[in-house]
Amino acid sequence: AQKVTQAQTEISVVEKEDVTLDCVYETRDTTYYLFWYKQPPSGELVFLIRRNSFDEQNEISGRYSWNFQKSTSSFNFTITASQVVDSAVYFCALRLAGANNLFFGTGTRLTVIP
Amino acid sequence: KAGVTQTPRYLIKTRGQQVTLSCSPISGHRSVSWYQQTPGQGLQFLFEYFSETQRNKGNFPGRFSGRQFSNSRSEMNVSTLELGDSALYLCASSLNPGGTDTQYFGPGTRLTVL
Repeated sequence: AQKVTQAQTEISVVEKEDVTLDCVYETRDTTYYLFWYKQPPSGELVFLIRRNSFDEQNEISGRYSWNFQKSTSSFNFTITASQVVDSAVYFCALRLAGANNLFFGTGTRLTVIP
Repeated sequence: KAGVTQTPRYLIKTRGQQVTLSCSPISGHRSVSWYQQTPGQGLQFLFEYFSETQRNKGNFPGRFSGRQFSNSRSEMNVSTLELGDSALYLCASSLNPGGTDTQYFGPGTRLTVL
């Protein structure tokens, strides 16, 4: 069975602080994809990144960076110099190869205080 | 390119009624998936359509059904509404199912059952 765990339910940081959102996944499949989505108050899930199981390279995109470690089944997300616009709920998700359904974690609500 | 659109954005129904939600995928995307988001259960996969055929279905009762048209637009229907069906219903589209394609989400339809 597949499972995604986001242990942090809510996080509050002061603007300009760095923050890391944790994601731990479980699957017995060897080929899978990991995702991060952002859900602002409007409700739409905004795609942030996709990672393939065979590609453990970390990635940086502006203030965002992702650390994928298969050894610990983790796919953590760091926001550097957080801004108020980063306030949202962030979801980590897992998808198996050949399938299209996403298994979501329970989300982490990030509040950035000005 | 326009994103995924969902109509209506908000709906209020009473128990026992039925409802139909609509989703128009990104132009060129042929796979459409539906998810239900509730505070208690989080984001759960409902079903997925590709080439007018249901490819995969989540663990939901038969009251939940869907279909896809030749232009890839999709509808989902919930019959005999229950209070617990109150949720945000999100539609996602991708080029093709599975593989490395990313799913992009619409703004959702918020259904309230009274």
